[in-house]
Amino acid sequence: EVQLLESGGGLVPPGGSLRLSCAVSGFTFSIYAMSWVRQAPGKGLEWVAVISGSGGSTNFADSVKGRFTISRDNSKNSLFLQMNSLRAEDTAVYYCARDRWPGANSGYFDYWGQGTLVTVSS
Amino acid sequence: EIVLTQSPATLSLSPGERATLSCRASQSVTNYLAWYQQKPGQAPRLLIYDASNRATGIPARFSGSGSGTDFSLTITSLQPEDFALYYCQQRRTWPQLTFGGGTRVEIK
Repeated sequence: EVQLLESGGGLVPPGGSLRLSCAVSGFTFSIYAMSWVRQAPGKGLEWVAVISGSGGSTNFADSVKGRFTISRDNSKNSLFLQMNSLRAEDTAVYYCARDRWPGANSGYFDYWGQGTLVTVSS
Repeated sequence: EIVLTQSPATLSLSPGERATLSCRASQSVTNYLAWYQQKPGQAPRLLIYDASNRATGIPARFSGSGSGTDFSLTITSLQPEDFALYYCQQRRTWPQLTFGGGTRVEIK
């Protein structure tokens, strides 16, 4: 059974940093691109970042470019999102999501975690 | 950035009725469009990809159509578990992906 479990969310002051983790199981992690998608309270979905299966290629939404870093540890079946210089508008539930097609970048997400809440506030 | 506009914002229907949700793109996304369902407190679930292909395990009452800039998601004979939020998403400009603002299907 495919499972994705996020952790690391919490309350952080503006300008602070936080590192999110996503532990996965039930599939060959290293052959799937993975993304982070966020959802502000009561709002819609916003794609944040993507990393290739090998970890060698990353891309970010303009809203987080230069502040967030995405990485992965395929030996530990884990995905990470390092968030620096956090702003109030980064407050959201952060989901990790698996790309639909192994070895490719479909841009569609077939499995999602349950999300972890990040609140940026003083 | 491609903007996806979903309409209506809310659709009030009764169980057994047919639901038709719309998603309009600000420029052509060819057929690179997906639909997701989200229930309160849950993660989104992929329903349709490439405009008209049902994802694994999705019931046949869900269907997608359209190409270019105009797309629709149809749910024939709404079941109680179908009352939820629905989002469209384009991958035409991968890796920059965008979602629509959502349509809420509520019980009338």
